[in-house]
Order: sequence, then structure tokens, then C-alpha cells
Amino acid sequence: DGGITQSPKYLFRKEGQNVTLSCEQNLNHDAMYWYRQDPGQGLRLIYYSQIVNDFQKGDIAEGYSVSREKKESFPLTVTSAQKNPTAFYLCASSPQGSDTQYFGPGTRLTVL
Amino acid sequence: QKEVEQDPGPLSVPEGAIVSLNCTYSNSAFQYFMWYRQYSRKGPELLMYTYSSGNKEDGRFTAQVDKSSKYISLFIRDSQPSDSATYLCASSSSGSARQLTFGSGTQLTVLP
Repeated sequence: DGGITQSPKYLFRKEGQNVTLSCEQNLNHDAMYWYRQDPGQGLRLIYYSQIVNDFQKGDIAEGYSVSREKKESFPLTVTSAQKNPTAFYLCASSPQGSDTQYFGPGTRLTVL
Repeated sequence: QKEVEQDPGPLSVPEGAIVSLNCTYSNSAFQYFMWYRQYSRKGPELLMYTYSSGNKEDGRFTAQVDKSSKYISLFIRDSQPSDSATYLCASSSSGSARQLTFGSGTQLTVLP
């Protein structure tokens, strides 16, 4: 089955800890994205990558970091510098030349 | 002002009702319009896609774009409890997925 997987589904973190969210796709898509979703605020772009070994900041990149060492993988690290990290995190991908994005199932991060 | 505005609801309708979901946008360069459906605690899935003005129908769903008034609509006929979800509109000017701008979503509940 082709698709986007995110793990874990639920994640709990203590304040001051870094945590890494996984995103893997086997769709052979070139571009990958990370969004944060909070109630009433829609989707906010954190980082995106259009090609391996290259990525760009989105609208709310502060306190987050990413890497793109493989085409299939785009992990997101939520660092201790992120002041309000509790949210639903969505990973998406799109093929080259496409104007649509395809989403993974999401990871709900809760900071205790 | 957000580029894409969407009434967050919540909207509750009885089963079988016709549902109208709406967005307005401010960027006159937008040409590509999408509707995503997001079930609770899941990732959004692409539901409808339209280019420029006009209507597009797919089963019980009709997407309508009026570029003169910068208005995007999604109509659901014979609504079912399984249609209960959050509906997000999205727009882009370039045909590039990187440029996709999302509305904040409307939460719909169809009551049996």
C-alpha cells in the first residue's frame, strides 16, 4: 500500500525535552511538508522540503528542526525552545509539479 | 487578514439535509481550489479539486467557485452521519503545492 505514515500516533513529552516525530512516504513524492494544527487556527506550515538535503522554513519554524537525508523520510524535531508545543502535527507530501498535498494520519503531541 | 477565510462553525444539520460550506479569499491570483475532509484525529484527505471558476460535481458533493466574488462553496446533498467531519478549503495561485493556503476549517455534524 502506498501512503504516508507518521509515528507515533500519540506522544507525551516533559517540558525541556526534545522529541522527534517520524514521517515516511512510499509514494515517490519529491516534496514533503510539516504542519501544526491547533483548534480554530487551521494548518500552519512549519517546514517544507522540495528535494533531498534541502529544506525551507515555513511560517512558524521557530523551535523546530528538520532533516531530509532520504527522499522517503522527513523527521521533525520539536525542541525545548518551542514555547507551546502541544498540538496535532501533520506531515504531507506532493509529487513534482502537483498542486495538491496528501496528508499522513498525524501525531498528537502533548507536553506534560 | 487571512488570505482564505472560513467560518469555523460548528454546523449541525439533520440527516438528509443539503449542506453548504463556504470560504472567501482575498488573493485574486488564486486559480486552484480544493476541499479537504478531515475526520476527528485523522489527517485531511483531498475531497474535491477545481480550477478557475465553475462547478464540479462528484456524487453527492458539488464544489463551486465564483472568482468574481472570491467565493468558494462545497455543497453536500443528502447528508449522512458519515459526512460529520471538519472541511478545509485550500487555494493556490501557481499550481504549486508549496503555495497552498488553507482555511481554518468548518466543523460539520450530521445528526441521525
